Amino acid sequence: ELKVEQNPLFLSMQEGKNYTIYCNYSTTSDRLYWYRQDPGKSLESLFVLLSNGAVKQEGRLMASLDTKARLSTLHITAAVHDLSATYFCAVEEGTYKYIFGTGTRLKVLA
Amino acid sequence: EAGVTQFPSHSVIEKGQTVTLRCDPISGHDNLYWYRRVMGKEIKFLLHFVKESKQDESGMPNNRFLAERTGGTYSTLKVQPAELEDSGVYFCASSRDRVDEQYFGPGTRLTVT
Repeated sequence: ELKVEQNPLFLSMQEGKNYTIYCNYSTTSDRLYWYRQDPGKSLESLFVLLSNGAVKQEGRLMASLDTKARLSTLHITAAVHDLSATYFCAVEEGTYKYIFGTGTRLKVLA
Repeated sequence: EAGVTQFPSHSVIEKGQTVTLRCDPISGHDNLYWYRRVMGKEIKFLLHFVKESKQDESGMPNNRFLAERTGGTYSTLKVQPAELEDSGVYFCASSRDRVDEQYFGPGTRLTVT
């Protein structure tokens, strides 16, 4: 059974600082997703990572995937208040079932 | 293109009552999924439809939950009778093919008192 561990659960950081969210998973998978959720809103797709060594960047967010270590990271550079949200990683089990991490609730303080 | 929509956004019911949640997928998406997040824990898979057929309902917690997808369009998830532990956020997602990325709705927050 595929398990996904995400940490930290909560993250409070000052604007301008850097931090990393970690996502570990227990068995091999073809895809890993990062989502952002604002309160009451849909899960917004941030990144889809498909292969070992994949790195994707969008603005102040950068995601990477190490399939050998079964680890993905979401790195935040020079955080701004607008990045405050809950971030989820999800790993695909089979071809359609997403197994999610517990989420990281990020609060960026001005 | 309209996204996945869910109704209601929030429902508060008493233990023992019945609630029906609705999901409208993106037009043209044959695949529809239900997930839920309970008590701030991880989001868990409930079931998967392809058109009107249930392909995988391995995540459905018990027989108090009934999902349907009439005509392969919108889907409903009925909880009858609701229990306190059913409280959480129920998400719906859809995809064109099963191998495509899933697009999620905003969720329905269910509170059972």
